[in-house]
Parts: sequence; structure tokens; C-alpha cells
Amino acid sequence: GNSVTQMEGPVTLSEEAFLTINCTYTATGYPSLFWYVQYPGEGLQLLLKATKADDKGSNKGFEATYRKETTSFHLEKGSVQVSDSAVYFCALRKGGGADGLTFGKGTHLIIQP
Amino acid sequence: SAVISQKPSRDICQRGTSLTIQCQVDSQVTMMFWYRQQPGQSLTLIATANQGSEATYESGFVIDKFPISRPNLTFSTLTVSNMSPEDSSIYLCSVETGGRGEQFFGPGTRLTVL
Repeated sequence: GNSVTQMEGPVTLSEEAFLTINCTYTATGYPSLFWYVQYPGEGLQLLLKATKADDKGSNKGFEATYRKETTSFHLEKGSVQVSDSAVYFCALRKGGGADGLTFGKGTHLIIQP
Repeated sequence: SAVISQKPSRDICQRGTSLTIQCQVDSQVTMMFWYRQQPGQSLTLIATANQGSEATYESGFVIDKFPISRPNLTFSTLTVSNMSPEDSSIYLCSVETGGRGEQFFGPGTRLTVL
């Protein structure tokens, strides 16, 4: 079946540091890949997505590239801010159908000033 | 995106009782889903709410425990039946819009079962 594996948290960084949150997946076919973010006290928000190999999703300074050869979709940001502190979820939706999402366990990111 | 509301936002219930959670969307959507987020855990898909037909349940979830209704394209309910403390979770509905596979989530219903 489908699965998503994320790096364990919490991840603690200083402001302006470079961020990478690793995400790898297992799926048949050609899934769509997503990053969702949950800020403290708020609901789950779509951050970015990619629907095919080599696609790069980007939003709010965050980027992730769909790497089929390594089955990965790592989230990166060049310079994090305190306001980026949140829980980040990697997710996939298997291709070709109208299906729900399979989520990773989430990575809690803490940015210190 | 769509504006999604859920009722109630939270509840504390007694063991053995049932709770119905409502999900309302501000526009017609084809796909609606229900998820559960147990404390400290990720989101797990419970079922797809199909308009005009029975919901499609994921492995480990059954209709007797989580009956779902979808009477139209803007509304769905999830009932958590015969609750036990293990059902304490956040329950979220989501919708897919725009035909691009993007799902948007409601604010969630935080359920505590005593």
C-alpha cells in the first residue's frame, strides 16, 4: 500500500538558517505529492504540491521537487523565520483516481530568534 | 479554495454515546473526505463521502462505527458511534476542488471521550 515517511522531529533551527525536511514515499503508479502546514492553533493548510516527476512546487519561500528516481519530495527553505514554526506534513494521493490523502507523521519545526 | 466549517468545534462525551459531526462547504464540491488525527499522530483517512451513495471506507473503519451521510454537494455528516476513550481524536473533513487534486481541510472537531 501507499506510505509516506518523514524525518522525526522536533527540528530546531535558528532564524535565517537553511531548512530541509526529508520526505520519501512508497506508492504504485504516479502519485501527486503535497506538503501541508499546521500553524499553532490553526487548521491544516496546503503549502505546495507537485503532480509529476521533476515538478517543483513552491510557496512562501518553500520549495520541494518531485524526485521519482529517489521517491522523495524534500521540503526546503533558504532562510527560515520564527513565523515558520509549525508542524509540516508530507502527503501523497495516488494517481488516476479520486482518492484521499496518505500522510506522513508530521515534523514539528521550531525556529528560534 | 473553499470555505469549510465544522460543528461542533469540540465536545466532551461519555463512553457508549454517539456524536454527529457536521461539515458544510460554501460551494458545491464533488469529493468530500473524513479524516481522524489521534493525539500526537498524523491524519488517517476514514472514508470518502459519496453523494447519493454509500461512503467508501478505508481499511480498519466500518460503517457501523462511523456512519456517514452526504445528502448534497455542500454538506456531510460523520457519526462516531458507541464511543470509547480510544475515539478521542480530532476529526476533520476535507474537500477537493478545482480538479487539480488539491484538498482543503475544515478546522476540525476535537472529541474527548471520558
